[in-house]
Amino acid sequence: QVQLVESGGGVVQPGRSLTLSCAASGFTFSTYGMHWVRQAPGKGLEWVALIWYDGGNKHYADSVKGRFTISRDNSKNTLYLQMHSLGAEDTAVYYCARAQGRPSHYFDRWGQGTLVTVSS
Amino acid sequence: SSELTQDPAVSVALGQTVSITCQGDSLRSYYASWYQQRPGDAPVLVMYGENNRPSGIPGRFSGSRSGNTASLTITGAQAEDEADYYCNSRDSSGNHNYVFGTGTKVTVL
Repeated sequence: QVQLVESGGGVVQPGRSLTLSCAASGFTFSTYGMHWVRQAPGKGLEWVALIWYDGGNKHYADSVKGRFTISRDNSKNTLYLQMHSLGAEDTAVYYCARAQGRPSHYFDRWGQGTLVTVSS
Repeated sequence: SSELTQDPAVSVALGQTVSITCQGDSLRSYYASWYQQRPGDAPVLVMYGENNRPSGIPGRFSGSRSGNTASLTITGAQAEDEADYYCNSRDSSGNHNYVFGTGTKVTVL
């Protein structure tokens, strides 16, 4: 069965960096675009980033552009999110989600999420 | 960038019908997808495209679009439908970004 498992969350000091991972299984990872979505405590969902199936194109929300980098290793069936210059506003549960559909994606599978807390 | 606006909260009596709306310019170009999120859980896709339900989603869920408004309707609401619902679509400003709606809390009375 399709499974997405995020890891790498934790408590990090403001200004520091953190890398999240999303391990995929149960489907041909290399043929799907993937997204990161986050949710601050008590708030709504916020789209963060998209990477195409081959890693050839990447897109970012304005709120993270220049600070976050999405990447993937199709040989390891793993999606990544490198986060730099973290601030309190980045505190959230981070979900990876599989993309389906054209020309507009929908997210048909989600991981359970990993919590990132930015605090001194 | 685009914005998608939803009513913050709606309530529905058990067994009755409720519609959740999502408004935004991007919906003139792209269909919305809809996600149900119960407390402490990850979001779950409940509707996509013109009116498509993923496997396992009950038939009481349906979707529609008119102009810049997308709607998710629950016909015969059940207690387990009490949750937050979010719409999403691609941004229509020419990039390949995405935007979520502000979310609607559905309470089943």
